[in-house]
Amino acid sequence: DAGITQSPRYKITETGRQVTLMCHQTWSHSYMFWYRQDLGHGLRLIYYSAAADITDKGEVPDGYVVSRSKTENFPLTLESATRSQTSVYFCASSWLGSEAFFGQGTRLTVV
Amino acid sequence: GQQVMQIPQYQHVQEGEDFTTYCNSSTTLSNIQWYKQRPGGHPVFLIQLVKSGEVKKQKRLTFQFGEAKKNSSLHITATQTTDVGTYFCAGDPDKLIFGTGTRLQVFP
Repeated sequence: DAGITQSPRYKITETGRQVTLMCHQTWSHSYMFWYRQDLGHGLRLIYYSAAADITDKGEVPDGYVVSRSKTENFPLTLESATRSQTSVYFCASSWLGSEAFFGQGTRLTVV
Repeated sequence: GQQVMQIPQYQHVQEGEDFTTYCNSSTTLSNIQWYKQRPGGHPVFLIQLVKSGEVKKQKRLTFQFGEAKKNSSLHITATQTTDVGTYFCAGDPDKLIFGTGTRLQVFP
């Protein structure tokens, strides 16, 4: 199916563990983004990518790692999860200067 | 770095009243986009403004882009309960930095 999908939808992990959130889009959009959404903070950009093998830091990149070996995938890894990374994570994709399409989100809880 | 602020943070209105949210950027924007996020949902694109002073309408929604391309507004006429959600502006198309959002609650 065409679109942008995130997995898992829900995840509970322990402090210190590594966890990877997946994002896959079928439009071949050049741009992909990762955001976290917390109450009172809106949507904050973690990392973005302009094309395969090109990634750049956003507003809140510390504690996160991304890669983009293929245009359609943009995984986000928390190398050593902390409680402060409990949040809802959204992935999005777009062409430059065009509307962004968002995934359904991943609700991550770090205990 | 670029900052995009929105006011108000929250707005509660009676159904039928008008609503306006304002978006202000610390830097000049090449364009601005508006998104709506329903409770429990994901952001959905509403519109994009590109030209200085541009005004666009979508039924009861009116969007404006400031002359200096550093601010924008969204005005909803005669709100309905279906307008409930959080409205975000977003600028800087390659980074897509979002504003802080305005949460709209509409009471019937």
